[in-house]
Amino acid sequence: GNSVTQMEGPVTLSEEAFLTINCTYTATGYPSLFWYVQYPGEGLQLLLKATKADDKGSNKGFEATYRKETTSFHLEKGSVQVSDSAVYFCALPVSGGYNKLIFGAGTRLAVHP
Amino acid sequence: EADIYQTPRYLVIGTGKKITLECSQTMGHDKMYWYQQDPGMELHLIHYSYGVNSTEKGDLSSESTVSRIRTEHFPLTLESARPSHTSQYLCASSELGGRGYTFGSGTRLTVV
Repeated sequence: GNSVTQMEGPVTLSEEAFLTINCTYTATGYPSLFWYVQYPGEGLQLLLKATKADDKGSNKGFEATYRKETTSFHLEKGSVQVSDSAVYFCALPVSGGYNKLIFGAGTRLAVHP
Repeated sequence: EADIYQTPRYLVIGTGKKITLECSQTMGHDKMYWYQQDPGMELHLIHYSYGVNSTEKGDLSSESTVSRIRTEHFPLTLESARPSHTSQYLCASSELGGRGYTFGSGTRLTVV
């Protein structure tokens, strides 16, 4: 069945550094791919998504490209801010349907001034 | 802006008490979900519903129960709370799974 693997955290960066959080997946077909963000004490928010191969999702300076050749959906940001400190989750639908999502284990990002 | 509401945000309760965690959404979504989030951040699906009077257990076995009598309301109940139930509980809804979920802010439950 479909599965997702994220890089382990925590990731600690200085403000204005470049961010990459790796996400790879195994899937039947080409399902939509998602990145969610969870700020301290909050629920998850949809950060960006891509619905087909080679699509690039973007939001708030974050980007991720749906790469079917490498089955990856890495999250990137050119210059992180302290306010980006959060936990980031990669997700995709379960096999055989689109009604349930599988989430990665989450990667905690800490950005210091 | 979230259109899915969870109450209470925080709850500290004694062992053996019955509790209900509320979840309501105003988007008319058919599909709703409950996740348990452990301290390591991982999300575990414990219940889901694809519509009124439809409920299913998720991937993680849970002693909680749910009901879906109205489209907008998906409460979770623990008949007898135990310290092992201490966790964060997240509710979510979806119009179509492929479009992603909208999450509530969560309920952080502590059983003492």
